Amino acid sequence: GESVGLHLPTLSVQEGDNSIINCAYSNSASDYFIWYKQESGKGPQFIIDIRSNMDKRQGQRVTVLLNKTVKHLSLQIAATQPGDSAVYFCAESHRGGYQKVTFGTGTKLQVIP
Amino acid sequence: NAGVTQTPKFQVLKTGQSMTLQCAQDMNHNSMYWYRQDPGMGLRLIYYSASEGTTDKGEVPNGYNVSRLNKREFSLRLESAAPSQTSVYFCASSALSGYPDTQYFGPGTRLTVL
Repeated sequence: GESVGLHLPTLSVQEGDNSIINCAYSNSASDYFIWYKQESGKGPQFIIDIRSNMDKRQGQRVTVLLNKTVKHLSLQIAATQPGDSAVYFCAESHRGGYQKVTFGTGTKLQVIP
Repeated sequence: NAGVTQTPKFQVLKTGQSMTLQCAQDMNHNSMYWYRQDPGMGLRLIYYSASEGTTDKGEVPNGYNVSRLNKREFSLRLESAAPSQTSVYFCASSALSGYPDTQYFGPGTRLTVL
């Protein structure tokens, strides 16, 4: 899950297994959430987003779950592949400030072949 | 369609020097952003431009200035670089202004201030 500080939490997963990356947010006003993937030496890349009027959204091999009650967001990656190895960030924004996106500190996903 | 491009890719400055980071997007997006990313941390917003002709401060604007030159280009200037500004700088753009929207990022500029 997300944490503050210099040490990135790391999730190690066997190739072919499912991965779950967690994120906690604090702003009750947040109503738009995004997951980004950042590979080493590259800029963040959009994976999937979800609005607060939804609990779940699915993409290709990825699912985002939103629990507004406990302010928790998760990203599930099915059949994890070596190419999924990267740092994953959750991000949030809210009405009146959608340009001011707040990013989490990230979780490093390591896929073991 | 190159997306978001940034120049330079790498830069080393001495304390007190100035420089401008360039960013351009070819997606006809309205909004553009500058972020910095420090080791083990997420991205922090420096400045953004919701639309051509407007700029606003983000979370960490001190020591920086920006110019939205036209719809395509958004530059970030360091007038007097300090070691605390050593970071990776990312430019991003999004199509919509004022609505939830995906941001598309450039490849980054790695800046070291000695």
